[in-house]
Amino acid sequence: TQLLKQSPQFLSIQEGENLTVYCNSSSVFSSLQWYRQEPGEGPVLLVTVVTGGEVKKLKRLTFQFGDARKDSSLHITAAQPGDTGLYLCAGAPPGNTGKLIFGQGTTLQVKP
Amino acid sequence: DAGVIQSPRHEVTEMGQEVTLRCKPISGHDYLFWYRQTMMRGLELLIYFNNNVPIDDSGMPEDRFSAKMPNASFSTLKIQPSEPRDSAVYFCASSHGDRGLYTEAFFGQGTRLTVV
Repeated sequence: TQLLKQSPQFLSIQEGENLTVYCNSSSVFSSLQWYRQEPGEGPVLLVTVVTGGEVKKLKRLTFQFGDARKDSSLHITAAQPGDTGLYLCAGAPPGNTGKLIFGQGTTLQVKP
Repeated sequence: DAGVIQSPRHEVTEMGQEVTLRCKPISGHDYLFWYRQTMMRGLELLIYFNNNVPIDDSGMPEDRFSAKMPNASFSTLKIQPSEPRDSAVYFCASSHGDRGLYTEAFFGQGTRLTVV
């Protein structure tokens, strides 16, 4: 069974601080996605990383895929209250089955 | 497109009753997923379909759960009989498999199920 473990599970920081969320597995994934979920809504895709070592930036968010394609990180610079939400990583197992395995999520609260 | 549409948004039922959750995927998407989300277990994949055919139902917790996709525009998840531990938010998602590794799952707003 392929599992994705996210850490930390909860994070409460002040506006302006930086933070990093980790997504780890003992299994290899073909690609890894990061989603953000707001209360009462479904998750929405932020980014997909495919190549080992790949780094993608989305404004103040930086996503990295580990060289071995088993782990990923999300770094937020100068967090803002609007970044508050649940961040989920999701991995696609090899074989292009269409399946996505989700981590348990990191709940981020950014206080003004 | 209106996105993935789920109904109802909220469902409160008594233990032992049958519950049916409904989903309309995005038109043209060939994958449909049912997920369950709880604080304890996060987002769990229950079952998914490709071109209306169930591909992997290994996440369905018990025989009390069943899912169908009679056509490309409709799917149901049924729980019979329901139990309090089934209380969770159930999400339906769809995707376009031709995008390969960049396939994005589009989620509905979820159905919050409470079994009392």
